[in-house]
Amino acid sequence: DAKTTQPPSMDCAEGRAANLPCNHSTISGNEYVYWYRQIHSQGPQYIIHGLKNNETNEMASLIITEDRKSSTLILPHATLRDTAVYYCIVSYHDMRFGAGTRLTVKP
Amino acid sequence: EAGVAQSPRYKIIEKRQSVAFWCNPISGHATLYWYQQILGQGPKLLIQFQNNGVVDDSQLPKDRFSAERLKGVDSTLKIQPAKLEDSAVYLCASSSPSGLSTLSYNEQFFGPGTRLTVL
Repeated sequence: DAKTTQPPSMDCAEGRAANLPCNHSTISGNEYVYWYRQIHSQGPQYIIHGLKNNETNEMASLIITEDRKSSTLILPHATLRDTAVYYCIVSYHDMRFGAGTRLTVKP
Repeated sequence: EAGVAQSPRYKIIEKRQSVAFWCNPISGHATLYWYQQILGQGPKLLIQFQNNGVVDDSQLPKDRFSAERLKGVDSTLKIQPAKLEDSAVYLCASSSPSGLSTLSYNEQFFGPGTRLTVL
């Protein structure tokens, strides 16, 4: 079973920041936080990962709380192409996907 | 760089028939995964290979599902006999862990999947 809790769905206006929350209160010290997304009819795509520190790449930013019990994925300027299901996963060596958050970016 | 290849993309069979899926991972990736994704759910890991050895098959229904990766490169997943509840998308992924430790960062690259419909 997935060890994360995410809202089932969220909406975001095009051009605005999308902030996707994830709770992982039982995370262990050696587990990473991964984010993947799945656009309709495609395989999941890696976005970003982190252990303790906040991380940023060309796609998104990952903010992890100091106690590591929750995190937020930030898409700084959402576009229509960011409409997808976003999965938050905590992992030691295997990936356990939950149901994710269905993000809809609206014009 | 070529991605993970899977075939066929779509397959329709009747229950009790057998079916096989093929996956060719990214060149050089030692780890290969098969996932099952039922409509409306996240992917569920069925089996993980490291080269040609099985690392984790705890969620593989071994009475009907089998998988092999004989030469440590491409892999096949077989279902025999199929049931209605096997209707799903079967995803293959590969990765190249940055080190021998299981603590190493491990980005997985997914193929497009095979959509199986069992009638």
